[in-house]
Amino acid sequence: DIQMTQSPSSLSASVGDRVTITCRASQSISSYLNWYQQKPGKAPKLLISAASSLQSGVPSRFSGSGSGTDFTLTISSLQPEDFATYYCQQSYGTPPTFGGGTKVEIK
Amino acid sequence: EVQLVESGGGLVQPGGSLRLSCAASGFTFSNFWMYWVRQAPGKGLVWVSRINGDGSRTAYADSVKGRFTISRDNAKNTLYLQMSSLRADDTAVYYCARDAQYGGSYTAVFPIWGQGTTVTVSS
Repeated sequence: DIQMTQSPSSLSASVGDRVTITCRASQSISSYLNWYQQKPGKAPKLLISAASSLQSGVPSRFSGSGSGTDFTLTISSLQPEDFATYYCQQSYGTPPTFGGGTKVEIK
Repeated sequence: EVQLVESGGGLVQPGGSLRLSCAASGFTFSNFWMYWVRQAPGKGLVWVSRINGDGSRTAYADSVKGRFTISRDNAKNTLYLQMSSLRADDTAVYYCARDAQYGGSYTAVFPIWGQGTTVTVSS
């Protein structure tokens, strides 16, 4: 199975901060990398697919980049509604696998 | 509105069985690959199973292979997960999810999720 490693596992940030979350795959996955946001008690929400393709309705402050094994999710200016846990997921191989998550908390 | 609604979760003893359902609406159910993904309490997301549009092709995570069976009834727009020989480590919220692509092969990208149903395996 392809292992997905996210860092950091948690971070504290203030409203307006620029936040970057990294995700590393254990082998090359080209651009088959997706990002999800999950709030407590809720289902995950797809933010970005194919490493950098923003889903319809997702604010433009979210962006994704990378290819191969190294990827990043950037929130350019953190808003109150962005405090959540973020997961990367590879859709290159079977089984599809998720990173361990990054919890973004209020500083 | 595109919607997935899971049901069937509950408390079950180790070794027991449970069937989860996922009712789909707002899209042509039979044209999409469907999935089950689970999340143990306080833990991350784990893919469980997938099934193609006509139900002829399935796949499972190693941890559930031989114990869980995914199926679908396209006439009822419903996805199922039959779980047997349940263990404590099957305790989780179970989500059904829809693939991003209409028809053809799967993408394993999940733009649509249900709200989840909780399965607790305990004596």
